[in-house]
Amino acid sequence: GAGVSQSPRYKVAKRGQDVALRCDPISGHVSLFWYQQALGQGPEFLTYFQNEAQLDKSGLPSDRFFAERPEGSVSTLKIQRTQQEDSAVYLCASSLAETGGEQFFGPGTRLTVL
Amino acid sequence: SQQGEEDPQALSIQEGENATMNCSYKTSINNLQWYRQNSGRGLVHLILIRSNEREKHSGRLRVTLDTSKKSSSLLITASRAADTASYFCATRIYGNNRLAFGKGNQVVVIP
Repeated sequence: GAGVSQSPRYKVAKRGQDVALRCDPISGHVSLFWYQQALGQGPEFLTYFQNEAQLDKSGLPSDRFFAERPEGSVSTLKIQRTQQEDSAVYLCASSLAETGGEQFFGPGTRLTVL
Repeated sequence: SQQGEEDPQALSIQEGENATMNCSYKTSINNLQWYRQNSGRGLVHLILIRSNEREKHSGRLRVTLDTSKKSSSLLITASRAADTASYFCATRIYGNNRLAFGKGNQVVVIP
């Protein structure tokens, strides 16, 4: 069956541009997570949704980062006025229930800010 | 911030050998999970061990958890070239669904 999909797979932005990254979770998955992974590091938590409710956004590094999941399925991570330090792979994950079990990850969006 | 810390960071072994990697963490956890990441398949869940479990097996994988030492180990037996990847431990704490990942172990299996 279909896994988690993300688009675009690669994004190059000039410093100061706004970007929008899309995540399509596995159908029926209640929980959705965004992580940021710098080169050579493990993923770092950004934000978490349970259905359409954003229950935890404590990992978002600045107010330039904004995420939404308006209908409880597709999610968008938006970064305004991108900076070079925003360059990373952005991973989306979903899980069936809100009980903290296995998460299914998408392939990620590699963002490069020039 | 990263909670899990894997040791060693990089491991190179011959096909057929066993590979062991360790992870330590700082706070009390609900469960600990191991993930594998390679360029072909992205980040894939391998195994989950709950805080009240001490050992778990899945195929060629064996994971142990010592909550008194706040550490876990992952053993891959009879390694294959396809096991070449980065391996991450990730912890989940009570009352929170986020995962805190370690920095990862790079494992290279030489055919």
